[in-house]
Amino acid sequence: QSVLTQPPSVSGAPGQRVTISCTGNSSNIGAGYDVHWYQQLPGTAPKLLIFGNNNRPSGVPDRFSGSKSATSASLAITGLQAEDEADYYCQSYDNYLRVFGGGTKLTVL
Amino acid sequence: QVQLQESGPGLVKPSETLSLTCNLSGGSINNYYWSWIRQPPGKGLEWIGYIQYTGSTVYSPSLKSRLAISVDTSKNQFSLKLNSVTSADTAVYYCARHGAAASFDSWGQGTLVTVSS
Repeated sequence: QSVLTQPPSVSGAPGQRVTISCTGNSSNIGAGYDVHWYQQLPGTAPKLLIFGNNNRPSGVPDRFSGSKSATSASLAITGLQAEDEADYYCQSYDNYLRVFGGGTKLTVL
Repeated sequence: QVQLQESGPGLVKPSETLSLTCNLSGGSINNYYWSWIRQPPGKGLEWIGYIQYTGSTVYSPSLKSRLAISVDTSKNQFSLKLNSVTSADTAVYYCARHGAAASFDSWGQGTLVTVSS
């Protein structure tokens, strides 16, 4: 059971917008700690997608955006592309420990 | 840009010790924190623990009693030892660097460790 809760799967058609939620509690996201998002393409290592709630590393398209509110965070992907099909993980901080969400599989229809 | 590479045995017997090393190239181990993260086959990511270049560590409570992470700044590498392994420790093990806002901004390619007799 992950400390951060994500939906197991989401899907969308090319060009559409999808969001992935990440729900925590008062000891992690709700305590003000940053949320980060990672994209894991099949058979590869995770890649940092969003850091510090809403910041994109160099090279990440602006189709990806993050937000945070109270005890939850969200990743939004606009203009969905086939190459976005992957697993997505949120990550935060809880009592001096790093914690991950259970992951969300994004399917591009 | 720093590159990380995990190395170690791909097969470990039950009750024995799993040992992995993360070698860095293109950057220094100094002034950063470094983590181990694992992913059982078909499952999600699990943070194992981190070490600062000074040697201070923080471990996941679920693994703390079996875990040791160390750093060798002269070799620009850090290591993981997990003892008394069982099949539940079978996973792809990743090493990663803590970057901006304590995110994991650089990852190794991962190495699969199977626990089996």
